[in-house]
Amino acid sequence: ETGVTQTPRHLVMGMTNKKSLKCEQHLGHNAMYWYKQSAKKPLELMFVYNFKEQTENNSVPSRFSPECPNSSHLFLHLHTLQPEDSALYLCASSQDRQETQYFGPGTRLLVL
Amino acid sequence: KQEVTQIPAALSVPEGENLVLNCSFTDSAIYNLQWFRQDPGKGLTSLLLIQSSQREQTSGRLNASLDKSSGRSTLYIAASQPGDSATYLCAVSGTYKYIFGTGTRLKVLA
Repeated sequence: ETGVTQTPRHLVMGMTNKKSLKCEQHLGHNAMYWYKQSAKKPLELMFVYNFKEQTENNSVPSRFSPECPNSSHLFLHLHTLQPEDSALYLCASSQDRQETQYFGPGTRLLVL
Repeated sequence: KQEVTQIPAALSVPEGENLVLNCSFTDSAIYNLQWFRQDPGKGLTSLLLIQSSQREQTSGRLNASLDKSSGRSTLYIAASQPGDSATYLCAVSGTYKYIFGTGTRLKVLA
């Protein structure tokens, strides 16, 4: 248990669906991250939030929309995804950029 | 552009062996380097974090070293156990950005 929770753990959606992934951290951290992990590829950073402000958008398609209402919660809104978006989506948090990142268990997403 | 490489991609060893996992990176301007463990279908567990000013960190049977000038880090695992079987990832950080390697899949045979 790392103090970072993600829901749902598994999600199957059609290409026309809208769904949201949720991440919550109980560590009092200031920075939160979304990563995508596809088979046989390195973990890819998608978005970074620091003190609720987005500081990084790593050229992510607009069908992925992040939201950070407060420093403890992070959402990833999904809309009209493609099958190639199927992956493990991991959330992480850290006190600041020079500190350890703590990861949640991930959401396994399958887009049909 | 920072690139992180991990060698070997996969490793299978008998229980009890000492082993070394390698990580290399192309840009030495990093804040820190972190080693993670990932079990199949699970999230990442942080093992060791080395700040850019440090040379090594130790935790139990694990020892990680960092040589920024040569762009290398090693993770040393002493007296390996079947429970050490997992994928080991290294990541180097710039400003709010972690770049990950593709990992080394370790299997320790009983």
